[in-house]
Amino acid sequence: AQSVTQLDSHVSVSEGTPVLLRCNYSSSYSPSLFWYVQHPNKGLQLLLKYTSAATLVKGINGFEAEFKKSETSFHLTKPSAHMSDAAEYFCVVSAESGGYNKLIFGAGTRLAVHP
Amino acid sequence: DVKVTQSSRYLVKRTGEKVFLECVQDMDHENMFWYRQDPGLGLRLIYFSYDVKMKEKGDIPEGYSVSREKKERFSLILESASTNQTSMYLCASSRTLAGRSGENIQYFGAGTRLSVL
Repeated sequence: AQSVTQLDSHVSVSEGTPVLLRCNYSSSYSPSLFWYVQHPNKGLQLLLKYTSAATLVKGINGFEAEFKKSETSFHLTKPSAHMSDAAEYFCVVSAESGGYNKLIFGAGTRLAVHP
Repeated sequence: DVKVTQSSRYLVKRTGEKVFLECVQDMDHENMFWYRQDPGLGLRLIYFSYDVKMKEKGDIPEGYSVSREKKERFSLILESASTNQTSMYLCASSRTLAGRSGENIQYFGAGTRLSVL
């Protein structure tokens, strides 16, 4: 069965420092993986997705993630945090169930950015 | 831009009331989804629909039902609201990509925060 584990429920960084949000996945086949972001009182927005092409995926707002099959990881990074990056981030894997594809969400990581 | 609109941002209801949450998408997407979001649990799938009048149970369907009479509209119904259904409810839609269904991006509404007293 497919699943994702976000290793940190809260991450706090200073503005201008690197961001690392960790995600490990479990999948019986080559997965499709996503990162979504949710700003306060907003819906979820897709940051980036991996679908078996390049292992380093670039997303919006300077974020990127690297798919590492040997480590079953898909960590999200950004070189320099901005105040506007403060939000909740979800790592997501696509899973097949009963002939349909559905998304399995991690528990989320809340990112705080301090001046 | 894809737009998924949920009719209410905040709702307060009483235990035992019948509650309707409405969702409309404007991109002619085949698939629509209802999730609930609770702190520390991420998003959990309640129901989804891959076509008009079709529905499938998700991971936590108990206490909920859905209706999809038109392609653009997907309703979540709480037949008799209970306090443990206090949560944030998120609607999403996606296109079916033939042969690449694992890549289908879901687009989300802003959510409805429901409080059941």
